[in-house]
Amino acid sequence: NAGVMQNPRHLVRRRGQEARLRCSPMKGHSHVYWYRQLPEEGLKFMVYLQKENIIDESGMPKERFSAEFPKEGPSILRIQQVVRGDSAAYFCASSLDRLNTEAFFGQGTRLTVV
Amino acid sequence: QKEVEQNSGPLSVPEGAIASLNCTYSDRGSQSFFWYRQYSGKSPELIMFIYSNGDKEDGRFTAQLNKASQYVSLLIRDSQPSDSATYLCAEGDAGGTSYGKLTFGQGTILTVHP
Repeated sequence: NAGVMQNPRHLVRRRGQEARLRCSPMKGHSHVYWYRQLPEEGLKFMVYLQKENIIDESGMPKERFSAEFPKEGPSILRIQQVVRGDSAAYFCASSLDRLNTEAFFGQGTRLTVV
Repeated sequence: QKEVEQNSGPLSVPEGAIASLNCTYSDRGSQSFFWYRQYSGKSPELIMFIYSNGDKEDGRFTAQLNKASQYVSLLIRDSQPSDSATYLCAEGDAGGTSYGKLTFGQGTILTVHP
């Protein structure tokens, strides 16, 4: 859905560099979910955030990954010291309410680690 | 741990036929289910959600939920080549939480041939 904006659409990083993925939710939405889709695999939940709060990060790898959703500005998914296995499509979804009855996905950021 | 199982396909149907996509889930307490369509290289688009046992119809799409059998299906009537995509079944996070983290199946690839 064009309302959820993710950038960049494509990101190439060398091993060891940092990747910063941005997600601006639909207007009025304050609930953001990040998902990762590895090649040939399904979407996997990573983290759920509300403004200024991480509510559930049970799907985040223990190291190198972090997420934030500040009071002003987009949500950021940050991957430090990227490795080849981080290459994937990262999707952000936003919803108006907690029950996510209609979650709209952004176009995704395709990260390639070389 | 929640699991959602889908036959990865590919499922091939002729144009005009009914496509039947199936999904089973492991958590008997789950309350909400979603079907998304994903074209190659694109983001998931919400087709339907269903909460109650029985059928829910929207245009050419019918979602069916059977909680006793832990089974969800999506029927696409009068299939068109433009319906060719990967269909993702997702389970909402109902286990006592009050937000909508989604657990996705692997997806079923549907091909509608003219």
